[in-house]
Amino acid sequence: GIQVEQSPPDLILQEGANSTLRCNFSDSVNNLQWFHQNPWGQLINLFYIPSGTKQNGRLSATTVATERYSLLYISSSQTTDSGVYFCAVPNRDDKIIFGKGTRLHILP
Amino acid sequence: DGGITQSPKYLFRKEGQNVTLSCEQNLNHDAMYWYRQDPGQGLRLIYYSQIVNDFQKGDIAEGYSVSREKKESFPLTVTSAQKNPTAFYLCASSSHPPGQPQHFGDGTRLSIL
Repeated sequence: GIQVEQSPPDLILQEGANSTLRCNFSDSVNNLQWFHQNPWGQLINLFYIPSGTKQNGRLSATTVATERYSLLYISSSQTTDSGVYFCAVPNRDDKIIFGKGTRLHILP
Repeated sequence: DGGITQSPKYLFRKEGQNVTLSCEQNLNHDAMYWYRQDPGQGLRLIYYSQIVNDFQKGDIAEGYSVSREKKESFPLTVTSAQKNPTAFYLCASSSHPPGQPQHFGDGTRLSIL
């Protein structure tokens, strides 16, 4: 089945810094989602981005489907951005495969 | 507001007991999913259902059972056969076709007494 790898596994930044999170996948996909899991465990949809670039406030995402990767950009980080960021893609048998996540710590 | 409701938020189980976690959605989604998350780990698929009265095993189905009698509801039973049930359980739903965005409930934390 499809493999999903996220990097880096952990990231510690000062408030106000910018960051780039990466998601690589091993097979062609027709969609990709980015999620933020907050410290209370809630999974929040950030982007549904099969290809191209989308922006939502300080966050943006780019998926290059032909090269099998997606990037999540966070600008001017805030402490509320802390948590774990997951990307997820569908497998050929319609299951959704999650990466292991990037754990982001934003220091005040 | 449309959404997914999981209950309870916290659940404690004695060894040898079966417990059932509730998941209800009012998004009119066809597909529903159950995931397990262990501390510091990603999500692993337990069961999923793409239509009423039908469901498929995910990657870690042993020790769990589900039913899908109504479109809105997809309860998960953690049986006594699940030897390490302590985890965070997340329910999700999505519309057709497969691969559409998944929306998640707030989760249930299950602990063994």
